[in-house]
Amino acid sequence: AQSVTQLGSHVSVSEGALVLLRCNYSSSVPPYLFWYVQYPNQGLQLLLKYTSAATLVKGINGFEAEFKKSETSFHLTKPSAHMSDAAEYFCAVRSVYSGGGADGLTFGKGTHLIIQP
Amino acid sequence: SAVISQKPSRDICQRGTSLTIQCQVDSQVTMMFWYRQQPGQSLTLIATANQGSEATYESGFVIDKFPISRPNLTFSTLTVSNMSPEDSSIYLCSVRGRRNQETQYFGPGTRLLVL
Repeated sequence: AQSVTQLGSHVSVSEGALVLLRCNYSSSVPPYLFWYVQYPNQGLQLLLKYTSAATLVKGINGFEAEFKKSETSFHLTKPSAHMSDAAEYFCAVRSVYSGGGADGLTFGKGTHLIIQP
Repeated sequence: SAVISQKPSRDICQRGTSLTIQCQVDSQVTMMFWYRQQPGQSLTLIATANQGSEATYESGFVIDKFPISRPNLTFSTLTVSNMSPEDSSIYLCSVRGRRNQETQYFGPGTRLLVL
């Protein structure tokens, strides 16, 4: 079984400040990890993914995340927030293995990022 | 990445009726999934749509309520049957590609309101 915990349902930062969205996962098998962004009234867009290669992954729009196995974490960061970053962010986990009902993603509850001018 | 379209994009339905949502992908994909996002909530996997066989449902979801078809590698439908206001949600189709099997891509979603 897998689970994802996103600390903070709402995070507010000032424009130009560091963005840090926290994600911790639980998985009994090696995981693939993902961050998705959802803008109002839109579907989900993949920001970045960890798939067993480099532990520091870079995504779109200046976001990056670091996989830390010892901490079971995959926190999302961006050095300087922009107003356009305001959205809902979801962390998700999947097993590296396929089949046996393990093919779908398990999502965290999401973090709403608010950017203050 | 795969380009996914869904029809309808939104609908308002009366309780007791059924709605069929279509998902079309621009390329052949190995796996297709259906997710539900209830208002203000995260995404929950409903089922995996299997080509040529019955869908695999997650705990809490049953075929009688959410029948799924997948006649080929680019198309699937999800029916929400005998709807109640609790079924008001966004329903999202998702796929994993043949080339990039690590990543799941999502359609734009179908926004359903049941009165």
